[in-house]
Amino acid sequence: EAQVTQNPRYLITVTGKKLTVTCSQNMNHEYMSWYRQDPGLGLRQIYYSMNVEVTDKGDVPEGYKVSRKEKRNFPLILESPSPNQTSLYFCASSLSKSGANVLTFGAGSRLTVL
Amino acid sequence: DAKTTQPTSMDCAEGRAANLPCNHSTISGNEYVYWYRQIHSQGPQYIIHGLKNNETNEMASLIITEDRKSSTLILPHATLRDTAVYYCIVRVGSGGYQKVTFGTGTKLQVIP
Repeated sequence: EAQVTQNPRYLITVTGKKLTVTCSQNMNHEYMSWYRQDPGLGLRQIYYSMNVEVTDKGDVPEGYKVSRKEKRNFPLILESPSPNQTSLYFCASSLSKSGANVLTFGAGSRLTVL
Repeated sequence: DAKTTQPTSMDCAEGRAANLPCNHSTISGNEYVYWYRQIHSQGPQYIIHGLKNNETNEMASLIITEDRKSSTLILPHATLRDTAVYYCIVRVGSGGYQKVTFGTGTKLQVIP
């Protein structure tokens, strides 16, 4: 089944403890991106990648890192998480960067930073 | 990247058509209009998209005005399972900047 898989789905951690949220897609998609969703603010883009080794900042990149070493994987790294990064995170992918291609979302990862 | 404006909330009677409007007055010629919906905190689900022409699929219809400054998503026979937050977004077609901006969407409540 074609899908975007995120792990973990739920995570509670403490301030400053590095964590990685993984994202993997099995559709050979070039474009991948990360969003966070907070109450009343909709989805905001954190980072996106147009292909392997090509990444760029979205609207709210502060406190996050990403890497795209393989086409299928696009992990989101929180080097030193803080409570304001408590949020619901979504990964998404599409065949290419073209707007003609549908963006497919993962099921989400709910992160709580204490 | 063009911004979109949607009403905060709407109600629709079960079995009736739900018409959800979206304003994208700054849309560029190569930007597509997309509609997604989100049920509770699940991942956004793709519904439909279009560039200039009206589009229809098994879920919905998309009507884009001739000047492309606004569009309407039509759910022809709304059911209780269509209760969700609906997002209208625009995505550039080729080249250019690939930020994808979501607004806060329209909360559609389907009433029995």
